[in-house]
Amino acid sequence: DAGVTQSPTHLIKTRGQHVTLRCSPISGHKSVSWYQQVLGQGPQFIFQYYEKEERGRGNFPDRFSARQFPNYSSELNVNALLLGDSALYLCASSLGRLNTGELFFGEGSRLTVL
Amino acid sequence: GQQLNQSPQSMFIQEGEDVSMNCTSSSIFNTWLWYKQDPGEGPVLLIALYKAGELTSNGRLTAQFGTTRKDSFLNISASIPSDVGIYFCAGQGASGTYKYIFGTGTRLKVLA
Repeated sequence: DAGVTQSPTHLIKTRGQHVTLRCSPISGHKSVSWYQQVLGQGPQFIFQYYEKEERGRGNFPDRFSARQFPNYSSELNVNALLLGDSALYLCASSLGRLNTGELFFGEGSRLTVL
Repeated sequence: GQQLNQSPQSMFIQEGEDVSMNCTSSSIFNTWLWYKQDPGEGPVLLIALYKAGELTSNGRLTAQFGTTRKDSFLNISASIPSDVGIYFCAGQGASGTYKYIFGTGTRLKVLA
């Protein structure tokens, strides 16, 4: 069975550019969460979506946005990239009915901003 | 951003030794998750805990949901070289909050 898949795995951007990261959850999971992991730290919550609705948003600027599609896949968009946005962006899927439940992560998208 | 305190921060152990690590919070949590992350990869879920006092095992790993609901513990018995990696705890609070707060991580190094 396919796990959580993310693309691209690595990308390099320059300051001011825009990036779109994509995620496909585990089959049957309706919830997708996005986390940012800066080197040497634990993941930080960015967004959670369930059934295409935003359920929660972390302490990130409006430059960060996301959406979930009818097939439950998701995109994370970051505008006006800053050097500090360089990180591993992790997507996690979960059943997410009454609460988030167990989170299953993908391999991540490693973003480097120059 | 907000992170939970994990200790120890890092540890070197001999192969075959048992390992203990813990995670503490100033807030009460309803769910605790424990993950292992290898370099360049995403975290892999090891154990999930849903009730205060709960003790759950997964092979050589055993985790406990603290009775105060503000802490959790992970033990690894008879460590092997492939246990090397970073272990993270993650806690989720009261219902209506969907985010998990992650710990600072415990880096484990096993000496053969």
